[in-house]
Amino acid sequence: GPKVLQIPSHQIIDMGQMVTLNCDPVSNHLYFYWYKQILGQQMEFLVNFYNGKVMEKSKLFKDQFSVERPDGSYFTLKIQPTALEDSAVYFCASTFWGTTGQLYFGEGSKLTVL
Amino acid sequence: AQSVTQPDARVTVSEGASLQLRCKYSYSGTPYLFWYVQYPRQGLQLLLKYYSGDPVVQGVNGFEAEFIKSNSSFHLRKASVHWSDSAVYFCAVSSNTGYQNFYFGKGTSLTVIP
Repeated sequence: GPKVLQIPSHQIIDMGQMVTLNCDPVSNHLYFYWYKQILGQQMEFLVNFYNGKVMEKSKLFKDQFSVERPDGSYFTLKIQPTALEDSAVYFCASTFWGTTGQLYFGEGSKLTVL
Repeated sequence: AQSVTQPDARVTVSEGASLQLRCKYSYSGTPYLFWYVQYPRQGLQLLLKYYSGDPVVQGVNGFEAEFIKSNSSFHLRKASVHWSDSAVYFCAVSSNTGYQNFYFGKGTSLTVIP
């Protein structure tokens, strides 16, 4: 089936550094999402993105977070600077239809902030 | 505000037993409803979805769910579980107008005892 690819699968960085998580969504999809998961349980919505713009973001999407997809390349989540509480697994997801599509998820990028 | 409640954080059943995982949602309008499964160190995979029509929907691997509007519920069921069903199950709701955002419950961790 359709695949969402995430790079890297795991990244360890020091607090205060910048990190960029990359997502290669399903090729014809138009809507992109980032979710944050802690301790293998709660899947918390961060942000969604369509037509080059953030459509909705949660309170977890702090000012240090940003997303972009320049020229149809990777959909990226950047955190600058990172904090200890940013340690989590970040999942990228995409869907084609805005109102009836199902989400396709990547396998996650595990971020460890020391 | 949209929300999803999965009241059981952990469920343990014996192989061959029947299963029900509970999900209640809060949504102003007619929702789209989903069940996803997450196996260890993987992204979420769709089990089934409900958009409209027959309130009982069939999914993969013998799973089904029933939409009960009066109760705002979308419980997941399986007649006979297998040890390989051990995973975390997420219920989700999304909007059916405009762009689509997905809201997830906290997940139910299922352990099937052989």
